[in-house]
Amino acid sequence: TQLLEQSPQFLSIQEGENLTVYCNSSSVFSSLQWYRQEPGEGPVLLVTVVTGGEVKKLKRLTFQFGDARKDSSLHITAAQPGDTGLYLCAGPNLYTQGGSEKLVFGKGTKLTVNP
Amino acid sequence: NAGVTQTPKFQVLKTGQSMTLQCAQDMNHNSMYWYRQDPGMGLRLIYYSASEGTTDKGEVPNGYNVSRLNKREFSLRLESAAPSQTSVYFCASRVKFQGNQPQHFGDGTRLSIL
Repeated sequence: TQLLEQSPQFLSIQEGENLTVYCNSSSVFSSLQWYRQEPGEGPVLLVTVVTGGEVKKLKRLTFQFGDARKDSSLHITAAQPGDTGLYLCAGPNLYTQGGSEKLVFGKGTKLTVNP
Repeated sequence: NAGVTQTPKFQVLKTGQSMTLQCAQDMNHNSMYWYRQDPGMGLRLIYYSASEGTTDKGEVPNGYNVSRLNKREFSLRLESAAPSQTSVYFCASRVKFQGNQPQHFGDGTRLSIL
């Protein structure tokens, strides 16, 4: 079974600070997705990275897929209270029957941005 | 745009009671999924349906059954609820069973079993 480990588990910072959260695996993933989940809601897709070394930007959020496609990072510049939420990485589970179409999720990083 | 709608939003059950969680999507998606989310455990797949008429077990299927009623609706049933099934349940859908398309989630059903 492919596992995705996210770190840190919790992060509390002040508005305006920069931060990076990580998503690591010992297995290769064909792609990785990042979701953000706000309290009381379901996860919402932020980005999908597909190519090793790929960098995608979404306003103040920068996503990178590792060259070996075993890890990914999310960097937030000048964090704002609206960035508060649970950040989840997910990738297709290639090592189980029918697994390529099932996502395996990391446990998430819970980010709190204080005003 | 409703997207994925889950009912009910909250439910309290007694041990041994049964209930069905409902999920409907209006995006004409082929694939649908049921997850549970527990503190420190992330999202775990219970069952999924690649297309109308098919269902398959996920990571944690024990104690649950599902029905893909039609293309829009995918229900999750607890036949005899246990306290270990206290969780937040999410339904999701995706346009195709293959590729990198995102999963679209409902807002969850918060289920407590006493």
